[in-house]
Amino acid sequence: GDSVTQMEGPVTLSEEAFLTINCTYTATGYPSLFWYVQYPGEGLQLLLKATKADDKGSNKGFEATYRKETTSFHLEKGSVQVSDSAVYFCARVEEDDKIIFGKGTRLHILP
Amino acid sequence: ETGVTQTPRHLVMGMTNKKSLKCEQHLGHNAMYWYKQSAKKPLELMFVYNFKEQTENNSVPSRFSPECPNSSHLFLHLHTLQPEDSALYLCASSQDEALANTIYFGEGSWLTVV
Repeated sequence: GDSVTQMEGPVTLSEEAFLTINCTYTATGYPSLFWYVQYPGEGLQLLLKATKADDKGSNKGFEATYRKETTSFHLEKGSVQVSDSAVYFCARVEEDDKIIFGKGTRLHILP
Repeated sequence: ETGVTQTPRHLVMGMTNKKSLKCEQHLGHNAMYWYKQSAKKPLELMFVYNFKEQTENNSVPSRFSPECPNSSHLFLHLHTLQPEDSALYLCASSQDEALANTIYFGEGSWLTVV
């Protein structure tokens, strides 16, 4: 099965809405977890990360908490902006240090 | 500007053509990567070079041929591609292969095979 599973997109929200993009992972241990963002026409950029259970990564108003009991790393933002429109990738590190990405979730924010 | 530059940004090629994608990083990193990004599929790691040595080849067809002449440059040579090879090809670099959290991506090269 997939190492990283994230919700299918596209997700369309109005500006200032609350955002959640779900991500779950499979692992035998406690891998580092990441969210990457890809803005239109650009490559991927690291948005935030968490390296151990109960860590919370945060950046640009986005947050994600590493929850080992539910093997999840859901991305949240309290009030989205049009400029947040992008594709968001959840990722984890494999045992051999290779990074594995989810399929990506496209987010559209309407003004 | 992430410090990883890819050229060309867009490429259209016929199935009998030979072309190359180029990647250059200005970050002093030692590891470089090629990823393939297709619609509705996960990012696929194709090749990894660490200190100019290839350390990963994820069962990539031989019509894709990487070259890493030094730690700052990475090429992907393309020959007799198929239409299903049309995708966004992303180059990335990191300090070394083990530090996955320091991966920096280029903007990608959009490849269309006709």
